[in-house]
Amino acid sequence: EAGVAQSPRYKIIEKRQSVAFWCNPISGHATLYWYQQILGQGPKLLIQFQNNGVVDDSQLPKDRFSAERLKGVDSTLKIQPAKLEDSAVYLCASSSDGYGYTFGSGTRLTVV
Amino acid sequence: DAKTTQPPSMDCAEGRAANLPCNHSTISGNEYVYWYRQIHSQGPQYIIHGLKNNETNEMASLIITEDRKSSTLILPHATLRDTAVYYCIVRVGSGGSNYKLTFGKGTLLTVNP
Repeated sequence: EAGVAQSPRYKIIEKRQSVAFWCNPISGHATLYWYQQILGQGPKLLIQFQNNGVVDDSQLPKDRFSAERLKGVDSTLKIQPAKLEDSAVYLCASSSDGYGYTFGSGTRLTVV
Repeated sequence: DAKTTQPPSMDCAEGRAANLPCNHSTISGNEYVYWYRQIHSQGPQYIIHGLKNNETNEMASLIITEDRKSSTLILPHATLRDTAVYYCIVRVGSGGSNYKLTFGKGTLLTVNP
């Protein structure tokens, strides 16, 4: 089966600009996760969707981050405005049953 | 917060078994232990998971102590390509779509020639 697709692979922006990341989960996977991984740390969960509804967004900095999952398939994570500390790899993962979790390759964001 | 504790780094000789320990003393009775690894510039890759019984697949073996407070991931014949950060994770949540993986800092395993 096809894996979790993410784009772009790399992105460089200036601080205060906006940026968006896209994720296409494995077909049929109802649960989708966005993680932020800062260099040298483990991934940190930002938001979790079940179909097109939010299950958990307690770790999402809502003053600048937003995410949506229209029609319960693709998802977009947006940062506006970006700060230097947002430089990280943004990972998307999906699951169909709460037992198997598949991760994408991530988007590496550099804020300068 | 992650419910696991792992050593920050370990070394292993190529061809030897790599034994990666993990403490999860606050694990609840229905919480699974998962292991993932992450090779530089890639997303985390699933290795194995278990609840209370020992598990084995084509990649590794997972040994969980009887009290479930710790576990060990065993790579039977480590190769240079096994050099990666290995994450031990306790899956938390109340069921179904509520489950989530909370990562700690992991163990950097370096396999030496």
